[in-house]
Amino acid sequence: GENVEQHPSTLSVQEGDSAVIKCTYSDSASNYFPWYKQELGKRPQLIIDIRSNVGEKKDQRIAVTLNKTAKHFSLHITETQPEDSAVYFCAVGGSARQLTFGSGTQLTVLP
Amino acid sequence: ETGVTQTPRHLVMGMTNKKSLKCEQHLGHNAMYWYKQSAKKPLELMFVYNFKEQTENNSVPSRFSPECPNSSHLFLHLHTLQPEDSALYLCASSQEMDTVYEQYFGPGTRLTVT
Repeated sequence: GENVEQHPSTLSVQEGDSAVIKCTYSDSASNYFPWYKQELGKRPQLIIDIRSNVGEKKDQRIAVTLNKTAKHFSLHITETQPEDSAVYFCAVGGSARQLTFGSGTQLTVLP
Repeated sequence: ETGVTQTPRHLVMGMTNKKSLKCEQHLGHNAMYWYKQSAKKPLELMFVYNFKEQTENNSVPSRFSPECPNSSHLFLHLHTLQPEDSALYLCASSQEMDTVYEQYFGPGTRLTVT
């Protein structure tokens, strides 16, 4: 089955700096790569996703890049703010018709 | 509340109890999922239903029993649980399964087994 690895497990950045979280996957047939944000005590919510026919997607301060050859994709958050502090999960979907999640990254934005 | 709802939000049960978790989605989706979320672990997919039919059972112990009476409702029946089953149980739904789509999560049920 699909194997998803996410790094780092924890990340602290100063407010205004950028944050980058990376995930690797194993199944070359995978074609859907969402990122979820889970604030403390709340449900995971989709923040951005990308499909395999696109290499990069941006939404304001958030971007996702995909390298299908290397089988990795990354979440980039620019101009971080305290409200960006949360756990971020990557996920991979494709031939299995279900999502396999990474282990999560606890992002802390220091004021 | 719109979207995906779950009840109860918190549940404490003994190892000999029987209880049920309920999930309801108001999005017109056809696929529903149960996940277990434990501290410092990836979300673990437990069960998947597509158009009310169970399509996945990821080696979940029989003390967890799912039920999907229609595309909007999903239950997880619990009996003879173990302390290691304590976790956040999340329900999710998506448009369907033939193409992988965004999954919408409920708020979860925080389960504590004593």
